[in-house]
Amino acid sequence: GEDVEQSLFLSVREGDSSVINCTYTDSSSTYLYWYKQEPGAGLQLLTYIFSNMDMKQDQRLTVLLNKKDKHLSLRIADTQTGDSAIYFCAESKRQGGKLIFGQGTELSVKP
Amino acid sequence: NAGVTQTPKFQVLKTGQSMTLQCAQDMNHEYMSWYRQDPGMGLRLIHYSVGAGITDQGEVPNGYNVSRSTTEDFPLRLLSAAPSQTSVYFCASSETSSFHEQYFGPGTRLTVT
Repeated sequence: GEDVEQSLFLSVREGDSSVINCTYTDSSSTYLYWYKQEPGAGLQLLTYIFSNMDMKQDQRLTVLLNKKDKHLSLRIADTQTGDSAIYFCAESKRQGGKLIFGQGTELSVKP
Repeated sequence: NAGVTQTPKFQVLKTGQSMTLQCAQDMNHEYMSWYRQDPGMGLRLIHYSVGAGITDQGEVPNGYNVSRSTTEDFPLRLLSAAPSQTSVYFCASSETSSFHEQYFGPGTRLTVT
């Protein structure tokens, strides 16, 4: 079956690193995505990783994929108050396929 | 470019009323989708369209209709609103001819009493 799970809340201090975790059940997932939703706004694609990759880095963002454990994480270095948002993990079975979203993790960054 | 626009931002309906949520994009995207977002749940796909004149059902289509007469517009119709349809509705469009790299509108918050 298809299921994507995330913890609901994470609180960090400004300047610390944040790690947001996601687990998925479908081993045939091909692409895994991270979306960010700021208050009152739609989702914005942050980054994505193909299932044959272990890691992808983009400036302050690092995505780690453990395909054996079906575990995906998003690390935000030097977290800022502007990073406060809800972060959604999503998977698709093929490039361009429909996405299955997790429940979202609300990141709160305290000054 | 305005991107993906949605109207209205907020709406309150009584049970049994009908209404149309509007979605438009000015990026000439082929793929457009409607999602609903409920507390503690991820986004769920309601209906989608792969181009003008073509629509298909997503995960939770019951109680909703869509049409795609132009590339730009993809309205979502609630035929007879129910309290279970209280949600935040997002429209999205894709730069590629797929669900990859979607652009989302700001959402419509709908309450059905």
